[in-house]
Amino acid sequence: GAGVSQSPRYKVAKRGQDVALRCDPISGHVSLFWYQQALGQGPEFLTYFQNEAQLDKSGLPSDRFFAERPEGSVSTLKIQRTQQEDSAVYLCASSPAGAGTDTQYFGPGTRLTVL
Amino acid sequence: GDSVTQMEGPVTLSEEAFLTINCTYTATGYPSLFWYVQYPGEGLQLLLKATKADDKGSNKGFEATYRKETTSFHLEKGSVQVSDSAVYFCALSDEISTDKLIFGTGTRLQVFP
Repeated sequence: GAGVSQSPRYKVAKRGQDVALRCDPISGHVSLFWYQQALGQGPEFLTYFQNEAQLDKSGLPSDRFFAERPEGSVSTLKIQRTQQEDSAVYLCASSPAGAGTDTQYFGPGTRLTVL
Repeated sequence: GDSVTQMEGPVTLSEEAFLTINCTYTATGYPSLFWYVQYPGEGLQLLLKATKADDKGSNKGFEATYRKETTSFHLEKGSVQVSDSAVYFCALSDEISTDKLIFGTGTRLQVFP
């Protein structure tokens, strides 16, 4: 079966532009996570959905970051008025049931470069 | 808050050498522990996991044992191959909070023939 897919794979934005990053999780997976991975670092948590409910958004770095999962499947991470410090790889992961013991399955990531 | 500390890389080894990558953690609850691997040009994938103290996770010749007394989850392999060259991330998931993963900074392994 298909894994987690993300689009676009690469995005170049001028400073101040808005961007939208899409994540298609594995079909039937309840939990969806977004992470941000700066160059040479480990991924850092941004936000978490259980079905369509956003249960944790404590990792979003500012109010310019917004995520949604309206039908409990596809998710979009939106960044408004992008800044250079937003340049990173944005990873999406899904897991079957949302238990801490669950394996999270990662997508290939979207590499965002803000000029 | 919860955190993971892993040894800095790069780790450079010859083929068939023994590998250890150290990982220690700090957590308020009873975390599950994971090793994820990122091969060149690929996404993160789970290598192994352990969900309670004294559990041993293993996969592809890699092993790690959940040591609560030393708060460690060191990754080992008896004989590395060139194909093991990748970045390895130690991570924890704490059920007290949401089930997000907290990652270490990653350790790059380079294996030469």
